[in-house]
Amino acid sequence: QKEVEQDPGPLSVPEGAIVSLNCTYSNSAFQYFMWYRQYSRKGPELLMYTYSSGNKEDGRFTAQVDKSSKYISLFIRDSQPSDSATYLCAMSEGHSGNTPLVFGKGTRLSVIA
Amino acid sequence: DAGITQSPRYKITETGRQVTLMCHQTWSHSYMFWYRQDLGHGLRLIYYSAAADITDKGEVPDGYVVSRSKTENFPLTLESATRSQTSVYFCASSMSSYEQYFGPGTRLTVT
Repeated sequence: QKEVEQDPGPLSVPEGAIVSLNCTYSNSAFQYFMWYRQYSRKGPELLMYTYSSGNKEDGRFTAQVDKSSKYISLFIRDSQPSDSATYLCAMSEGHSGNTPLVFGKGTRLSVIA
Repeated sequence: DAGITQSPRYKITETGRQVTLMCHQTWSHSYMFWYRQDLGHGLRLIYYSAAADITDKGEVPDGYVVSRSKTENFPLTLESATRSQTSVYFCASSMSSYEQYFGPGTRLTVT
């Protein structure tokens, strides 16, 4: 079993829908939880990060971490066609660059106008 | 332009050839990383570096060599390319673990 599991999709939703993207993990030592967005033929870019459990909101995006269930989520409200991309969850045990990120395989999202 | 660049962007090579992928960043970030991205596997870490002359193996290091003589450069060499190394390669840099900045990628095809 991989350390981080993520449904690859594809996920197709109409414009304006609420999107829920999820990852599960097995390593209880993970403390930092990130969501990266990757447009087609581009490198990933950091969208949000959360330390430990809890919620974090940034505009239309909300990240949730439930460490007891080893489950993280990204919600996108009022989804737009420009949100169409692959979303990668990533996790790390520590803050230092010596503790590499472990990525999920990514979920491909299409928002249809 | 400032940022992180990779070259070449596209490369076709033959089995057994040596090929070097270049990565350059202008932020003076301490940490640099090489990943490969394949369908069904996602992003997998090949090598990373905490500073000049300090490198460590990641998840899939076999068949690759890295060096870091200067903070801003982190080249990745495939010593004898194999078809299984056909992939998209991403370089990234960071001041911390979670906020990594990725380059545009190099699409490598080994025939």
